[in-house]
Amino acid sequence: GQSLEQPSEVTAVEGAIVQINCTYQTSGFYGLSWYQQHDGGAPTFLSYNALDGLEETGRFSSFLSRSDSYGYLLLQELQMKDSASYFCAGNTGGFKTIFGAGTRLFVKA
Amino acid sequence: EAGVTQFPSHSVIEKGQTVTLRCDPISGHDNLYWYRRVMGKEIKFLLHFVKESKQDESGMPNNRFLAERTGGTYSTLKVQPAELEDSGVYFCASSQEGPSYEQYFGPGTRLTVT
Repeated sequence: GQSLEQPSEVTAVEGAIVQINCTYQTSGFYGLSWYQQHDGGAPTFLSYNALDGLEETGRFSSFLSRSDSYGYLLLQELQMKDSASYFCAGNTGGFKTIFGAGTRLFVKA
Repeated sequence: EAGVTQFPSHSVIEKGQTVTLRCDPISGHDNLYWYRRVMGKEIKFLLHFVKESKQDESGMPNNRFLAERTGGTYSTLKVQPAELEDSGVYFCASSQEGPSYEQYFGPGTRLTVT
């Protein structure tokens, strides 16, 4: 089957660094995307890893290891506004995207 | 540039009734996707259009769900008759031509079936 596993909740303090892990089982896997969703809002694209390694975009970085079927999203210098749900999503080639159940991040002052 | 819009934002209907959800993608985006999220669970793929053609509807739960995209612009998703398990948030997303890992989501329609 095709599935992505991620923790349901993560809590961190403002200014800290937090890592949200994602492990996957998908056939025909092409890459891993990350989306952010604030309560009541639309999921918004954060990053995509097609190749192994680290991709950095400002305070956010994403990592992929195909051999380990594993990736993570790293958020640095956490801010209160980063409190949201974060979804990893597997691109299976073509057009179909499989999402994880999301990780709810709580940032505390 | 206007984003993806969805209507209505909320809908509360009784079991057995019919509901039609609408999605207007970003202008010029050939790809249109429908997803559903039941509380606390994954964002589940329902189907994908390229222009007006259905490319993949493997995620549609059953034949009570009908999606259309006439003229390759906006899309509708009809649920008839609605069941309790159809409750959830229905998201629409669009992307430009070709396979895309970056999809632009609408704010969703929260459907409650009572």
